[in-house]
Amino acid sequence: QKEVEQNSGPLSVPEGAIASLNCTYSDRGSQSFFWYRQYSGKSPELIMFIYSNGDKEDGRFTAQLNKASQYVSLLIRDSQPSDSATYLCAVTPFGGYQKVTFGTGTKLQVIP
Amino acid sequence: DAGVIQSPRHEVTEMGQEVTLRCKPISGHDYLFWYRQTMMRGLELLIYFNNNVPIDDSGMPEDRFSAKMPNASFSTLKIQPSEPRDSAVYFCASSFLGDSSYEQYFGPGTRLTVT
Repeated sequence: QKEVEQNSGPLSVPEGAIASLNCTYSDRGSQSFFWYRQYSGKSPELIMFIYSNGDKEDGRFTAQLNKASQYVSLLIRDSQPSDSATYLCAVTPFGGYQKVTFGTGTKLQVIP
Repeated sequence: DAGVIQSPRHEVTEMGQEVTLRCKPISGHDYLFWYRQTMMRGLELLIYFNNNVPIDDSGMPEDRFSAKMPNASFSTLKIQPSEPRDSAVYFCASSFLGDSSYEQYFGPGTRLTVT
């Protein structure tokens, strides 16, 4: 079982719709959760982080964490073609904020 | 700030040759990370340093790989001898402990092709 699992996609959504990206992790003691966005040929960049159960909103982005189900999600409201990218879920172990394990990513395509 | 700087951006070499990748982290950052990204395995952490000291090298695939950080502004990842399966994009990233988001700032990457 992979430590961090994501559906590789591609996930296709029409412009203006809500994109829902999901991630599960195997280590129940995981402490910190991140979503990085990676455009094709570019390097990853952080868009959201969440440490506690529940929802965290930042503009059009909402991260959701459910530690009991070992599940993290990212919602993108009013999706734009510029949101088309690969989204990487990342997790750190208990006590290790720096040692990050990445999922293989979900490719999102926003259709104009 | 110029961000994390990596060189070279592209490297093509023949099997058996030594390859050295270079990284300059963001000034003031105290953590430095080396990652490898492939289509099959995604983004994998190879090694990370804190204040120039290697903390965890459990991701280094084998003895052919070595990394050093002689000072706060420079790190190298060396592969000797290189093999075709080492072909990947290698990213360097840096972060600092005082950042509550623990964000890692990635360099542009080095695309390595071993023929």
